[in-house]
Amino acid sequence: DAGITQSPRHKVTETGTPVTLRCHQTENHRYMYWYRQDPGHGLRLIHYSYGVKDTDKGEVSDGYSVSRSKTEDFLLTLESATSSQTSVYFCAISEGQGGTEAFFGQGTRLTVV
Amino acid sequence: GNSVTQMEGPVTLSEEAFLTINCTYTATGYPSLFWYVQYPGEGLQLLLKATKADDKGSNKGFEATYRKETTSFHLEKGSVQVSDSAVYFCALSHLQGAQKLVFGQGTRLTINP
Repeated sequence: DAGITQSPRHKVTETGTPVTLRCHQTENHRYMYWYRQDPGHGLRLIHYSYGVKDTDKGEVSDGYSVSRSKTEDFLLTLESATSSQTSVYFCAISEGQGGTEAFFGQGTRLTVV
Repeated sequence: GNSVTQMEGPVTLSEEAFLTINCTYTATGYPSLFWYVQYPGEGLQLLLKATKADDKGSNKGFEATYRKETTSFHLEKGSVQVSDSAVYFCALSHLQGAQKLVFGQGTRLTINP
Protein backbone atom coordinates (compact mmCIF):
# COMPACT_ATOMS: atom_id res chain seq x y z
CA ASP A 1 0.00 0.00 0.00
CA ALA A 2 1.13 3.52 -0.80
CA GLY A 3 2.21 5.39 2.30
CA ILE A 4 -0.55 7.94 2.73
CA THR A 5 -1.90 8.90 6.12
CA GLN A 6 -4.85 11.18 6.66
CA SER A 7 -5.64 12.75 10.00
CA PRO A 8 -7.97 12.92 11.71
CA ARG A 9 -10.05 10.02 10.36
CA HIS A 10 -13.24 11.35 11.88
CA LYS A 11 -14.19 14.82 13.06
CA VAL A 12 -17.32 16.55 14.21
CA THR A 13 -17.19 20.34 14.33
CA GLU A 14 -19.54 23.25 14.70
CA THR A 15 -20.60 25.66 12.00
CA GLY A 16 -18.29 28.63 11.75
CA THR A 17 -15.22 26.97 13.26
CA PRO A 18 -11.96 26.50 11.36
CA VAL A 19 -10.90 22.96 10.52
CA THR A 20 -7.63 21.61 9.15
CA LEU A 21 -7.20 18.17 7.65
CA ARG A 22 -3.77 16.72 7.13
CA CYS A 23 -2.38 14.42 4.50
CA HIS A 24 1.06 12.91 4.95
CA GLN A 25 2.89 10.80 2.36
CA THR A 26 6.06 8.76 2.55
CA GLU A 27 6.35 8.12 -1.20
CA ASN A 28 8.00 11.40 -2.22
CA HIS A 29 5.42 11.85 -4.98
CA ARG A 30 5.31 15.25 -6.64
CA TYR A 31 1.55 15.67 -6.93
CA MET A 32 -0.94 15.73 -4.08
CA TYR A 33 -4.71 16.22 -4.25
CA TRP A 34 -7.74 16.77 -2.06
CA TYR A 35 -11.11 15.37 -3.14
CA ARG A 36 -14.48 15.29 -1.47
CA GLN A 37 -16.91 12.41 -1.86
CA ASP A 38 -20.65 13.01 -1.73
CA PRO A 39 -23.54 10.73 -2.67
CA GLY A 40 -24.53 11.14 -6.30
CA HIS A 41 -21.41 13.14 -7.15
CA GLY A 42 -18.60 10.65 -6.97
CA LEU A 43 -15.38 12.41 -6.01
CA ARG A 44 -14.72 16.03 -6.90
CA LEU A 45 -11.36 17.76 -6.87
CA ILE A 46 -10.99 20.58 -4.33
CA HIS A 47 -7.33 21.63 -4.69
CA TYR A 48 -4.12 20.06 -5.82
CA SER A 49 -0.40 20.66 -5.52
CA TYR A 50 2.35 20.14 -8.07
CA GLY A 51 5.23 20.92 -5.74
CA VAL A 52 6.21 22.60 -2.51
CA LYS A 53 4.29 25.88 -2.26
CA ASP A 54 2.74 25.25 -5.69
CA THR A 55 -0.99 24.74 -5.53
CA ASP A 56 -4.01 25.30 -7.75
CA LYS A 57 -7.79 25.17 -7.53
CA GLY A 58 -9.98 22.29 -8.51
CA GLU A 59 -13.64 22.04 -9.38
CA VAL A 60 -15.06 22.81 -5.91
CA SER A 61 -12.50 25.07 -4.22
CA ASP A 62 -14.80 27.73 -2.73
CA GLY A 63 -14.54 27.77 1.07
CA TYR A 64 -11.29 25.77 1.12
CA SER A 65 -7.62 26.66 1.19
CA VAL A 66 -4.53 24.48 1.07
CA SER A 67 -0.86 24.66 1.91
CA ARG A 68 2.15 22.53 1.14
CA SER A 69 5.31 23.60 2.94
CA LYS A 70 7.01 20.20 2.65
CA THR A 71 6.89 17.53 -0.02
CA GLU A 72 5.28 15.07 2.34
CA ASP A 73 2.49 17.19 3.83
CA PHE A 74 -0.59 18.72 2.23
CA LEU A 75 -3.06 20.54 4.46
CA LEU A 76 -6.68 21.34 3.68
CA THR A 77 -8.30 24.13 5.69
CA LEU A 78 -11.92 25.07 5.99
CA GLU A 79 -11.70 28.64 7.24
CA SER A 80 -15.27 28.70 8.55
CA ALA A 81 -16.99 25.36 8.27
CA THR A 82 -20.52 25.13 6.91
CA SER A 83 -22.99 22.25 6.88
CA SER A 84 -22.52 21.91 3.11
CA GLN A 85 -18.95 20.89 3.80
CA THR A 86 -20.06 17.78 5.63
CA SER A 87 -18.45 15.10 3.48
CA VAL A 88 -15.78 12.44 3.25
CA TYR A 89 -12.44 13.93 2.24
CA PHE A 90 -9.79 11.94 0.41
CA CYS A 91 -6.18 12.81 -0.15
CA ALA A 92 -4.45 11.34 -3.18
CA ILE A 93 -0.91 11.34 -4.55
CA SER A 94 0.62 10.64 -7.91
CA GLU A 95 4.16 10.48 -9.15
CA GLY A 96 3.68 11.53 -12.72
CA GLN A 97 1.22 13.38 -14.80
CA GLY A 98 -2.19 12.33 -16.13
CA GLY A 99 -2.38 8.67 -17.13
CA THR A 100 -0.40 7.47 -14.13
CA GLU A 101 -1.96 5.82 -11.11
CA ALA A 102 -3.24 7.95 -8.26
CA PHE A 103 -3.06 6.48 -4.76
CA PHE A 104 -5.71 7.40 -2.22
CA GLY A 105 -5.72 7.71 1.52
CA GLN A 106 -8.42 6.10 3.66
CA GLY A 107 -10.45 9.28 3.99
CA THR A 108 -11.58 11.69 6.68
CA ARG A 109 -15.24 11.81 7.58
CA LEU A 110 -16.11 15.39 8.53
CA THR A 111 -19.46 16.34 10.01
CA VAL A 112 -20.35 20.00 10.47
CA VAL A 113 -23.25 20.52 12.89
CA GLY B 1 -16.06 20.61 -19.96
CA ASN B 2 -15.06 17.12 -18.99
CA SER B 3 -17.60 14.77 -17.46
CA VAL B 4 -18.20 11.09 -16.78
CA THR B 5 -21.57 9.35 -16.59
CA GLN B 6 -22.02 5.91 -15.05
CA MET B 7 -25.03 3.66 -14.95
CA GLU B 8 -27.19 4.21 -11.91
CA GLY B 9 -26.89 1.82 -9.05
CA PRO B 10 -27.14 -0.02 -6.89
CA VAL B 11 -26.57 -3.22 -8.82
CA THR B 12 -27.26 -6.57 -7.19
CA LEU B 13 -26.19 -9.84 -8.80
CA SER B 14 -25.81 -13.46 -7.85
CA GLU B 15 -22.39 -15.05 -7.63
CA GLU B 16 -21.02 -16.18 -11.02
CA ALA B 17 -23.27 -13.77 -12.94
CA PHE B 18 -21.95 -11.61 -15.79
CA LEU B 19 -21.32 -7.99 -14.89
CA THR B 20 -21.48 -4.86 -17.01
CA ILE B 21 -21.25 -1.34 -15.60
CA ASN B 22 -21.68 1.29 -18.29
CA CYS B 23 -19.51 4.40 -18.43
CA THR B 24 -19.53 7.17 -21.02
CA TYR B 25 -17.50 10.35 -21.04
CA THR B 26 -17.33 13.82 -22.52
CA ALA B 27 -13.88 15.33 -22.89
CA THR B 28 -11.72 17.51 -25.04
CA GLY B 29 -8.81 15.81 -26.68
CA TYR B 30 -7.85 12.26 -25.79
CA PRO B 31 -8.15 11.53 -22.08
CA SER B 32 -6.89 8.55 -20.15
CA LEU B 33 -9.68 6.42 -18.69
CA PHE B 34 -9.77 4.57 -15.39
CA TRP B 35 -11.85 2.32 -13.21
CA TYR B 36 -11.31 2.71 -9.49
CA VAL B 37 -12.83 0.47 -6.82
CA GLN B 38 -13.69 1.36 -3.23
CA TYR B 39 -14.18 -1.43 -0.71
CA PRO B 40 -16.14 -0.67 2.47
CA GLY B 41 -14.33 1.71 4.79
CA GLU B 42 -11.38 2.16 2.47
CA GLY B 43 -10.00 4.64 0.00
CA LEU B 44 -10.10 4.14 -3.74
CA GLN B 45 -7.69 1.88 -5.54
CA LEU B 46 -6.99 1.58 -9.23
CA LEU B 47 -8.64 -1.41 -10.86
CA LEU B 48 -7.60 -0.85 -14.48
CA LYS B 49 -6.84 1.86 -16.98
CA ALA B 50 -6.47 2.61 -20.69
CA THR B 51 -4.57 5.54 -22.13
CA LYS B 52 -5.50 5.49 -25.82
CA ALA B 53 -8.29 4.46 -28.12
CA ASP B 54 -8.88 0.71 -28.53
CA ASP B 55 -6.68 -0.11 -25.54
CA LYS B 56 -8.08 -2.75 -23.22
CA GLY B 57 -7.37 -2.53 -19.52
CA SER B 58 -7.69 -5.68 -17.45
CA ASN B 59 -7.14 -6.78 -13.86
CA LYS B 60 -8.58 -9.42 -11.51
CA GLY B 61 -10.89 -10.72 -14.26
CA PHE B 62 -12.30 -7.26 -15.00
CA GLU B 63 -11.93 -5.71 -18.45
CA ALA B 64 -12.76 -2.40 -20.12
CA THR B 65 -12.04 -1.20 -23.66
CA TYR B 66 -11.47 2.45 -24.58
CA ARG B 67 -14.01 3.13 -27.32
CA LYS B 68 -13.39 6.54 -28.85
CA GLU B 69 -16.22 6.26 -31.39
CA THR B 70 -18.82 5.75 -28.68
CA THR B 71 -16.92 7.66 -25.95
CA SER B 72 -17.35 4.70 -23.64
CA PHE B 73 -15.33 2.59 -21.20
CA HIS B 74 -17.70 -0.09 -19.94
CA LEU B 75 -16.53 -2.40 -17.16
CA GLU B 76 -17.16 -6.14 -17.57
CA LYS B 77 -16.49 -9.33 -15.69
CA GLY B 78 -17.54 -12.77 -16.78
CA SER B 79 -18.19 -14.32 -13.37
CA VAL B 80 -18.47 -12.15 -10.29
CA GLN B 81 -17.67 -13.21 -6.74
CA VAL B 82 -18.97 -12.07 -3.37
CA SER B 83 -15.60 -10.39 -2.81
CA ASP B 84 -16.29 -8.07 -5.78
CA SER B 85 -18.94 -6.25 -3.75
CA ALA B 86 -17.79 -2.63 -3.68
CA VAL B 87 -18.37 0.78 -5.21
CA TYR B 88 -16.93 1.23 -8.70
CA PHE B 89 -15.94 4.60 -10.15
CA CYS B 90 -15.20 5.44 -13.75
CA ALA B 91 -12.86 8.41 -14.20
CA LEU B 92 -10.84 10.32 -16.76
CA SER B 93 -7.81 12.56 -16.78
CA HIS B 94 -5.65 14.20 -19.38
CA LEU B 95 -2.07 13.17 -20.05
CA GLN B 96 -0.64 16.63 -19.66
CA GLY B 97 -0.36 18.24 -16.28
CA ALA B 98 -1.46 16.93 -12.92
CA GLN B 99 -3.56 13.79 -12.50
CA LYS B 100 -6.79 15.74 -12.10
CA LEU B 101 -9.34 12.98 -12.10
CA VAL B 102 -12.95 13.60 -13.12
CA PHE B 103 -15.17 10.89 -11.62
CA GLY B 104 -18.53 9.44 -12.39
CA GLN B 105 -21.00 9.20 -9.54
CA GLY B 106 -20.07 5.63 -8.64
CA THR B 107 -21.98 2.36 -8.88
CA ARG B 108 -22.53 0.26 -5.78
CA LEU B 109 -22.28 -3.45 -6.58
CA THR B 110 -23.54 -6.18 -4.27
CA ILE B 111 -22.94 -9.83 -5.04
CA ASN B 112 -25.10 -12.38 -3.24
CA PRO B 113 -23.87 -15.95 -2.66
